[in-house]
Amino acid sequence: SQQGEEDPQALSIQEGENATMNCSYKTSINNLQWYRQNSGRGLVHLILIRSNEREKHSGRLRVTLDTSKKSSSLLITASRAADTASYFCASYSGGGADGLTFGKGTHLIIQP
Amino acid sequence: DAGVIQSPRHEVTEMGQEVTLRCKPISGHDYLFWYRQTMMRGLELLIYFNNNVPIDDSGMPEDRFSAKMPNASFSTLKIQPSEPRDSAVYFCASSWTGVQPQHFGDGTRLSIL
Repeated sequence: SQQGEEDPQALSIQEGENATMNCSYKTSINNLQWYRQNSGRGLVHLILIRSNEREKHSGRLRVTLDTSKKSSSLLITASRAADTASYFCASYSGGGADGLTFGKGTHLIIQP
Repeated sequence: DAGVIQSPRHEVTEMGQEVTLRCKPISGHDYLFWYRQTMMRGLELLIYFNNNVPIDDSGMPEDRFSAKMPNASFSTLKIQPSEPRDSAVYFCASSWTGVQPQHFGDGTRLSIL
């Protein structure tokens, strides 16, 4: 079953704008991960944020985590056409390798 | 480094046929995962292995599905007999530990007619 839910399901913005995607989860977590999936390809890990962290940066990516609200957000700054992809959050609740559950993703389209 | 390698990339077959999907994980990774992705259900974990041993197969939908990992560098997912509702993209992923991020192959797009 899906624990994470991304919002919005789809997002279309102009190149150069910032894109924000949100994720909500249901149970307590050990960490939360974000992945990108380009069309016809597998998921690629972008960034991991631990439950005791509130914010993390990696290049043009910024992830926040609010464990009190059971939510996370992914911000992509200065978007590029190459950022067009689906983005998934995956919450890891511990207890074993099967503790990682994925949301259904946000499909991001960057208009040139 | 080579990533996770899956074969075939595409498979089209008729209902009732046996289907075998293959995966070569990243060398040194102790965990291997099989997922199924559909529009309706998203990404579902089917089964995972630790050091070649199946740990949790509770996600395997039916007895028609089976998975093996005879050695650290190879795994198969078999569907016999196949049905149209098995049509999906099947991904294999591997990781160093159960906590670390997973590395995905590019999947096998399976169509059962």
